[in-house]
Amino acid sequence: DAGVTQSPTHLIKTRGQQVTLRCSPKSGHDTVSWYQQALGQGPQFIFQYYEEEERQRGNFPDRFSGHQFPNYSSELNVNALLLGDSALYLCASSFRTGGLNYGYTFGSGTRLTVV
Amino acid sequence: DQQVKQNSPSLSVQEGRISILNCDYTNSMFDYFLWYKKYPAEGPTFLISISSIKDKNEDGRFTVFLNKSAKHLSLHIVPSQPGDSAVYFCAADLDNYGQNFVFGPGTRLSVLP
Repeated sequence: DAGVTQSPTHLIKTRGQQVTLRCSPKSGHDTVSWYQQALGQGPQFIFQYYEEEERQRGNFPDRFSGHQFPNYSSELNVNALLLGDSALYLCASSFRTGGLNYGYTFGSGTRLTVV
Repeated sequence: DQQVKQNSPSLSVQEGRISILNCDYTNSMFDYFLWYKKYPAEGPTFLISISSIKDKNEDGRFTVFLNKSAKHLSLHIVPSQPGDSAVYFCAADLDNYGQNFVFGPGTRLSVLP
């Protein structure tokens, strides 16, 4: 049973470009959350998607946007990349019932480097 | 302003001894806390959690203690093993629905053989 899979594993982009990161949730999970982990810091919550809608958002600018597809997979898009966007981007999936999220599982992440 | 703090960036312990990792939080509304372990090139993996209605939760070699009045929790690993060497993150559930976790900066544990 595959866990959470993220692609690509590594990515190098130039400042000002746009990037799309992808996440496939663990089987049986319907909710996807995205986190940014800068070097030496803990993961920071970006947003969460459930039923193809953004349900919660952390303190990130509108340059960060996302999407969830009917098969529960998700994309994270970042526009107008800044050097400070260089980080490990983690996807976590869970299943939601009764308004609560269970089984939170992280993927291995995508390492984004902006030059 | 960090809501979850881990003031020790690193910790070294001899194999077989106890490892104690500490975490402090500022928001007294936090009701649920988690510890995650992260190896290089892998995502964080869930280790143990505790609800604010309890002051201790145990799972094998891992025990988490919660002191609500001090807004402090700690993770005890006994006995420590070399395979426990990893970065440990303390996290709080911001809204108690499992939608938004606030993580500390992590503590790198090295267990020396």
